[in-house]
Amino acid sequence: EPEVTQTPSHQVTQMGQEVILRCVPISNHLYFYWYRQILGQKVEFLVSFYNNEISEKSEIFDDQFSVERPDGSNFTLKIRSTKLEDSAMYFCASSEALLGTGNYEQYFGPGTRLTVT
Amino acid sequence: GENVEQHPSTLSVQEGDSAVIKCTYSDSASNYFPWYKQELGKGPQLIIDIRSNVGEKKDQRIAVTLNKTAKHFSLHITETQPEDSAVYFCAASPLMSSTLTFGKGTMLLVSP
Repeated sequence: EPEVTQTPSHQVTQMGQEVILRCVPISNHLYFYWYRQILGQKVEFLVSFYNNEISEKSEIFDDQFSVERPDGSNFTLKIRSTKLEDSAMYFCASSEALLGTGNYEQYFGPGTRLTVT
Repeated sequence: GENVEQHPSTLSVQEGDSAVIKCTYSDSASNYFPWYKQELGKGPQLIIDIRSNVGEKKDQRIAVTLNKTAKHFSLHITETQPEDSAVYFCAASPLMSSTLTFGKGTMLLVSP
């Protein structure tokens, strides 16, 4: 069964450093998402991406965040200057379509645990 | 924006009992309501979903009900098994949006 994969599984970085989290969405999916989950809290939407541009983003997704699809398979989340409060589990998800237009179910990867020290 | 409330935060049942998790939402424009199961160290896994033109949906031991007038939806698990133990999240999304708004999650513990 196709699945979303993410690397690394755990990333430790120092405050102020840049990190790049990587995801490989399901191959025939066209919509890509990043969510985060701070320990013990709810999963929060960050950004969605379609046709090489951002579709929607939340208030959390400020100027220190960026997303990119550098090639035909990878989807990345970059945090330019990490803060302590960026420590969280980051989930990538993908869907074939948008709600109302086809197979819209979002499938999540296993996550990358980011620890900022 | 959308706000999703989920109750209870923890739920302990004996194997074979039923479990019910309830969610309410605030945005009347929401019309897609998925439920996710998250096991320790893994990402959320979609287990069932419902759209607003349907009042109830069932898949084996799992069912979801939706009351659009009251803006609430529920997950029902019958004949619970220890492997059902996990954190369950409800979510809501409006049509033609890519945004899922999640509840805070319910930790379900099924004791043998």
